[in-house]
Amino acid sequence: KAGVTQTPRYLIKTRGQQVTLSCSPISGHRSVSWYQQTPGQGLQFLFEYFSETQRNKGNFPGRFSGRQFSNSRSEMNVSTLELGDSALYLCASSLGGRGADTQYFGPGTRLTVL
Amino acid sequence: DQQVKQNSPSLSVQEGRISILNCDYTNSMFDYFLWYKKYPAEGPTFLISISSIKDKNEDGRFTVFLNKSAKHLSLHIVPSQPGDSAVYFCAASSAGSQGNLIFGKGTKLSVKP
Repeated sequence: KAGVTQTPRYLIKTRGQQVTLSCSPISGHRSVSWYQQTPGQGLQFLFEYFSETQRNKGNFPGRFSGRQFSNSRSEMNVSTLELGDSALYLCASSLGGRGADTQYFGPGTRLTVL
Repeated sequence: DQQVKQNSPSLSVQEGRISILNCDYTNSMFDYFLWYKKYPAEGPTFLISISSIKDKNEDGRFTVFLNKSAKHLSLHIVPSQPGDSAVYFCAASSAGSQGNLIFGKGTKLSVKP
């Protein structure tokens, strides 16, 4: 099976712009979670989508949003970019069932905000 | 407040010896624990997991031990190989929030030939 794919791999934006990141999960996986990794804060949970609905949400401002399509592909949007949004954005997919559910990560999108 | 803690930022071991990476947690609602290996600028790679109903899980050279009363888990790698050099993250989730993994800050393992 193909793994989780993320596009683009690298992005450079300027403050105030918006950005959309894309994630294609492993075939058959219905849950997609998004994480932000920064040197200071480590890996932090943004949100999770399951069957096109947001099922869990982390402590990030409303500038961070996402959605999931009927084929389980997901997009994440960040509006009004700030310098502090520079980070590695990771998505992970899983079957999404209740109970022990292993997440598999994509390679990430490196976002640089200038 | 960190719910998952990896108190050793780095660990250095000799090739062929055992590597032991430790992780402590504070939330008693966590019921599923995972270990990931990560290289810079790449996504974490799943290594091994354990459910709270077990106290040990093995997969090849990797064994995870869970001590629920101490809220402590450890990853043993035997024998360690230079290719194991990476940052290792411990993560935990709870029922109803499985999509939300809480990660530790990671431990950088260096295996010297």
